[in-house]
This record gives sequence, C-alpha cells and structure tokens, in this order.
Amino acid sequence: DAKTTQPNSMESNEEEPVHLPCNHSTISGTDYIHWYRQLPSQGPEYVIHGLTSNVNNRMASLAIAEDRKSSTLILHRATLRDAAVYYCILRDVEETSGSRLTFGEGTQLTVNP
Amino acid sequence: KAGVTQTPRYLIKTRGQQVTLSCSPISGHRSVSWYQQTPGQGLQFLFEYFSETQRNKGNFPGRFSGRQFSNSRSEMNVSTLELGDSALYLCASSLHAADSYGYTFGSGTRLTVV
Repeated sequence: DAKTTQPNSMESNEEEPVHLPCNHSTISGTDYIHWYRQLPSQGPEYVIHGLTSNVNNRMASLAIAEDRKSSTLILHRATLRDAAVYYCILRDVEETSGSRLTFGEGTQLTVNP
Repeated sequence: KAGVTQTPRYLIKTRGQQVTLSCSPISGHRSVSWYQQTPGQGLQFLFEYFSETQRNKGNFPGRFSGRQFSNSRSEMNVSTLELGDSALYLCASSLHAADSYGYTFGSGTRLTVV
C-alpha cells in the first residue's frame, strides 16, 4: 500500500475551520483517498473519500491536489465532538485479492472550547 | 439500521487460554475485516472474509484465525493467548470485498490477557 504522511497533532478552537493535511506522494492512479476518524473508546468512523475531484458531505470536505500527491480534510466548524485521531488512508479500488485498510499514526486533533 | 455489533465488549483471559470474538456486520454487508489495535503498534489488519472465504490476511501468527458464516457473521479465534495479545479487536464490514466505499467499524472487544 502507498504510504501517507500526516502531522502527529493539531489544535483548533471551537467553531473555527480545521484543515488536516495528508501527503501521499507515491499514490497510484487507482488509489482512492479515504479519511477515517477515531473518537476515544470507539472504533474508527468513515469520514469521506475521493479519487480526483474535491468532495463534500455532511461531515467534511476533501480537497485533493491536482497532482493527487496531497489532500486536505476540511472540517468547516470544529466542535468539541470532533476531537479525535484522523487517519488518511489510500485504498486501491482495483485490488482483486481482497482489501485492507493500512492505518498510519494519524493526526490527533484537539479542539479547544 | 443496526451497526456492526461486536461481542463481548470486554474480556479477561489468562495466558495460554484461547478466546473467540464475534462480529455481526451490517445487514447486507458481505465483507468482514478484523483489526488489532494496541498503543505500541496502532491499528493492524488481521484478516478479511468475503462470502465465507478468507481473501486477505495480515502478518499475524497462526494462533490468530477466523471464519465467516453463511449469514456473514464472523468470528475470530486466538489460541494460546500471550500477554502481548491484550488489545482492542475491531471488526469492520462493507458491502463488497474491494470497493471504493467506506468500512463501518464496530466498537470493538477489549481483550486483556493476564
């Protein structure tokens, strides 16, 4: 699996936007970019995914660089409930021998009241 | 709709014993994956099942095994438990074995080996 690089930690204030970066310089053409987050004492939660175009859903937005070597997860207005570890993961959609998620260390997001 | 259900939530076992964990995926989901999470190693993939067949396996010893039933429910078994097996074991389900969409995780089973 192609590797992703994320900052270990980031801090934000409540109700402010948060931009969580992810570098994936070895991404292949069939790799989707997925973001998951893990709140304390819970399993990971799917946030958003994309291939080439920017994506929006009710939880967040995903901005993908034109060369696809980096992406940014955007939380438009952080709340205390958004404090979690955020994982950026690449998934090869054409993998035929099954599929797995390769988690890195992720970014610990702290949201200050 | 009901999420991914893992049972039990907490478990304490003694070294040398064996343990079986259960996972019920979201209705209609045919792919079930298992992950181990420890403070030192983070989240690591154990194996994936699709339509009762193991399609992918992580780098874990043979003491770790699993199976999937015809109703897509899955179990994982760890034999001859070691202290290092203490971890949060997470199950995730998705519609297909390899699609571009997301997995839904359960809340996990916290296994403590003493």
